[in-house]
Amino acid sequence: SQQGEEDPQALSIQEGENATMNCSYKTSINNLQWYRQNSGRGLVHLILIRSNEREKHSGRLRVTLDTSKKSSSLLITASRAADTASYFCATDYSGNTGKLIFGQGTTLQVKP
Amino acid sequence: GAVVSQHPSWVICKSGTSVKIECRSLDFQATTMFWYRQFPKQSLMLMATSNEGSKATYEQGVEKDKFLINHASLTLSTLTVTSAHPEDSSFYICSAKHGGGEKLFFGSGTQLSVL
Repeated sequence: SQQGEEDPQALSIQEGENATMNCSYKTSINNLQWYRQNSGRGLVHLILIRSNEREKHSGRLRVTLDTSKKSSSLLITASRAADTASYFCATDYSGNTGKLIFGQGTTLQVKP
Repeated sequence: GAVVSQHPSWVICKSGTSVKIECRSLDFQATTMFWYRQFPKQSLMLMATSNEGSKATYEQGVEKDKFLINHASLTLSTLTVTSAHPEDSSFYICSAKHGGGEKLFFGSGTQLSVL
């Protein structure tokens, strides 16, 4: 399987703390994307980082990419209870055809 | 913008019946849509790529006669689960590609329960 791996599988933190999730992948990529999924819902795009970028910020989100290690991390700072969701990394290996390989996901619980 | 609507949100059907799930791009034209299956607490597994005006491309191991995909217009793709069985019970999600953009826009998913 080409699916990536994410760790941890589950993460529980207190409101205000930072949450870090890691993603590893296997193939060469054009870009790596992070998505969020609330329970029983579709996915929402959070942030995209291209293969020639090393770090990207969007609000409270910070994403890093290390292509030599084929890994990425998502940091959510000053977490809120509303950040409780599952987070998936997805790699675009197919030259922007839209075919993404999704990681296994990290379930984040932020306690108020 | 870039809203994808998926219906129904949930459906319960008897074994042996067929179920149709619709995926619509509401404010953009989607030449390409994707269908996924997701089991509880697991990742999304791509089932097929739906291209407007042509046959869908199925991923390895996905039965094309079981999961019929039709992309008859630039704003609508449908997935029909034919002769559904309890093992087809799952969460099905669609996504759409907006032009040359790199990110995907997802529908809200359909929970299918086959009795």
